[in-house]
Amino acid sequence: DAGITQSPRHKVTETGTPVTLRCHQTENHRYMYWYRQDPGHGLRLIHYSYGVKDTDKGEVSDGYSVSRSKTEDFLLTLESATSSQTSVYFCAISEYPSSYNEQFFGPGTRLTVL
Amino acid sequence: EDKVVQSPLSLVVHEGDTVTLNCSYEVTNFRSLLWYKQEKKAPTFLFMLTSSGIEKKSGRLSSILDKKELFSILNITATQTGDSAVYLCAVYELSNFGNEKLTFGTGTRLTIIP
Repeated sequence: DAGITQSPRHKVTETGTPVTLRCHQTENHRYMYWYRQDPGHGLRLIHYSYGVKDTDKGEVSDGYSVSRSKTEDFLLTLESATSSQTSVYFCAISEYPSSYNEQFFGPGTRLTVL
Repeated sequence: EDKVVQSPLSLVVHEGDTVTLNCSYEVTNFRSLLWYKQEKKAPTFLFMLTSSGIEKKSGRLSSILDKKELFSILNITATQTGDSAVYLCAVYELSNFGNEKLTFGTGTRLTIIP
């Protein structure tokens, strides 16, 4: 398995509080991604990073921000959590950006916003 | 609109049966199609398909792509209880902005009854 960890693995928080999820990789892969997975929607891309300090938006980026200060860490922040952000969040990595390279996924973080 | 559609949504079969999972897609600039298996945690990579008519095979699993009819199938022969999972199909496309985007289907939930 690719060396990807996510923390925390489970979190329950209240509406309006800030939340930060961490993705850590030991593969030295340049590309990192944050997805959310919800019933009926599959996996949807929130943000991705193509290098240290280089990030871009995915299809569901509203309400989320990201930061990448080191190759190995990619942080996802919910500035003010809402109940619609209750979801399972997956981090993924890939060595190259090409569509001919698969993405490897972390174990996921289950976030509940009350 | 749904760009990647998987069918059936769920499937229950007996151990030893053969199953076929379907994935149809509708994207403008297709690059590749990927299959993942998701048990209770992270999706794990199965296959990447880029060319029509060339079967990819791994043990009891095989997959093929038809770029003319815009679909792929995943076959599992002699199913075992360990094959119970959600199978995800994803398609890489080149977006209008020149970057590559991975879009997932909602998955097929396969349950194998002993």
